[in-house]
Amino acid sequence: DVKVTQSSRYLVKRTGEKVFLECVQDMDHENMFWYRQDPGLGLRLIYFSYDVKMKEKGDIPEGYSVSREKKERFSLILESASTNQTSMYLCASSLGRGLGGYTFGSGTRLTVV
Amino acid sequence: GNSVTQMEGPVTLSEEAFLTINCTYTATGYPSLFWYVQYPGEGLQLLLKATKADDKGSNKGFEATYRKETTSFHLEKGSVQVSDSAVYFCALKANTGNQFYFGTGTSLTVIP
Repeated sequence: DVKVTQSSRYLVKRTGEKVFLECVQDMDHENMFWYRQDPGLGLRLIYFSYDVKMKEKGDIPEGYSVSREKKERFSLILESASTNQTSMYLCASSLGRGLGGYTFGSGTRLTVV
Repeated sequence: GNSVTQMEGPVTLSEEAFLTINCTYTATGYPSLFWYVQYPGEGLQLLLKATKADDKGSNKGFEATYRKETTSFHLEKGSVQVSDSAVYFCALKANTGNQFYFGTGTSLTVIP
């Protein structure tokens, strides 16, 4: 069964910590995406990548960075975690032009205290 | 620009009731349209899609028709079940780029 795996379901970090969220897909998809999901705001795109070592800013990149050293892995980095980054983080991937839709991971619920 | 507007929730229905969740979009060109479902504690799953005008997507009793004249992609189901309780997201993919644009989601609760 093809899937997108996010390394943690729940994470609690302290303000100012550097946080790594990992996402791995086993479908050989070129495209990978990081979203955050907040009540009333839906899904907002943070960063995306269409190829290894390639990254593009989404709608809300401030306070985040990403790394894509291998095709199957797309990491989201919170350089210095803040309480307003408490959220559900969703990773997704897609193939080619994306007409088949995204495949999502199960999400990581991050709490910054 | 590209955007999706879907009806505000939450929606509460009795089992076997008819469901409609409205979705309208703004896009340049001819987007592809999708409905995703998110069950409690899980990520989003693709429910159905339509890639051109007048296409009807269907899955698990849910249907949606791509209406270009009204820029709409409303989700319908004739008889909902308790197991349909979830959050439903309408989304579009523009015909340039691979990014999806999501609505804010509509929470559905079905009571026995």
